[in-house]
Parts: sequence; C-alpha cells; structure tokens
Amino acid sequence: TQLLEQSPQFLSIQEGENLTVYCNSSSVFSSLQWYRQEPGEGPVLLVTVVTGGEVKKLKRLTFQFGDARKDSSLHITAAQPGDTGLYLCAGDAGGTSYGKLTFGQGTILTVHP
Amino acid sequence: DSGVTQTPKHLITATGQRVTLRCSPRSGDLSVYWYQQSLDQGLQFLIQYYNGEERAKGNILERFSAQQFPDLHSELNLSSLELGDSALYFCASSVWDRSFSGNTIYFGEGSWLTVV
Repeated sequence: TQLLEQSPQFLSIQEGENLTVYCNSSSVFSSLQWYRQEPGEGPVLLVTVVTGGEVKKLKRLTFQFGDARKDSSLHITAAQPGDTGLYLCAGDAGGTSYGKLTFGQGTILTVHP
Repeated sequence: DSGVTQTPKHLITATGQRVTLRCSPRSGDLSVYWYQQSLDQGLQFLIQYYNGEERAKGNILERFSAQQFPDLHSELNLSSLELGDSALYFCASSVWDRSFSGNTIYFGEGSWLTVV
C-alpha cells in the first residue's frame, strides 16, 4: 500500500511569513499533484509535477518534486490570509492505476492578518 | 466551478438506511472516480469507472456499490448505513493530459452525508 506522509498537519502563521509543506513517501509516483481545499468545497488542483527534480512556480507558490519522485514540497512566500485552507498532496502511481490518487493527510494552513 | 456536478449537497439519514449519491462528470470525460473524506481517514479512493466499466477499486465497503451509466453519469449507493459512514463523498472526473502523459483530475463539490 502506498502512503504519503504530509507535514506539518497544522500551520498557523502571520501574514508575510514564508512556509513549506512536505510530502514524503517510500513509493515512487508517476506524478504528484497538489490541491487546495476550502470548507464545503472539493479539492482544486494547483499543480502537477511529473519529472524528478522538477520545480514549478505559481505566483508565490513553488512546488518541487524530489529527484527520486518519492517526495515533494510546497513553499509559499509572503503568505496572505487568502492562502488559508487545506493543502493536500496526492500521488498517482500510474500504469493501470492512472487517476487513482493516494492522498496525504493534509496541512491546514491559517494565515493571520 | 470544476464542471463536475454532485447531488445532493447535504443528506441526513438514519442508521440502517440506504442512500444514492449522483454525479455528472465534466462534459466529455469518460472516467469517474468516487472518494470519501472523513476526519480520521482523510481522502480515500473508493472506486473508478471508465466508460461504463469498473476500472479500479479501492477501500470500498461491500455495503457500497457504484455504477456508471451510458450517459456517463455515475451513482454511488450506500446501504445499511452506520454512524461511521458519515463523511464527505466526492466524485471526480479526469481528462488525459498529453503534456505529462497522465490524468488531470477535477473534483466536484461533494455530498455531505450525516448518518444519525
């Protein structure tokens, strides 16, 4: 069974601070996706990383996929209250399992003004 | 708006009852997935259908079943409900993304089931 360990589970910071969320596994994934979920809504895809060592930037968000495609990180620069939400990483094993995602437990981020 | 539509949004029912959750995928998407989200288990994959056929199964209980119809909408049937079945149930559909040879998955807003 593939597992994704996400940390930290909770993060409470002040506006303007930087933060990093980690997603680690002992398994290799064909791709890894990061989602953001707000209360009462479904997860919304932020980014998909595919290649080992890949770095993708989305405004103040930087996503990195580990060289071995087993881990990933999400770094937010100068966090804003609008970044508050649940952040989820999800791995796709690929092959016959395409689309069957294994999710981390999530990181609840609260950014205080 | 992801384009994936789920009904009902909220449902309260008693233990032992049966409910049906409905999902319409994004236009043109052939794959439908069902996920369960609870506080203790997080988001868990239940089952996937592709063009009417079951493609993959996750930790779906025997009391639960699903199907995908010719018009590609899907239903998740939950029977003999227990208190522990209270959760958010998400439907998702996917499109093949050639840029990375994988599926991009879009989630609906979920159906919140409360069993009392």
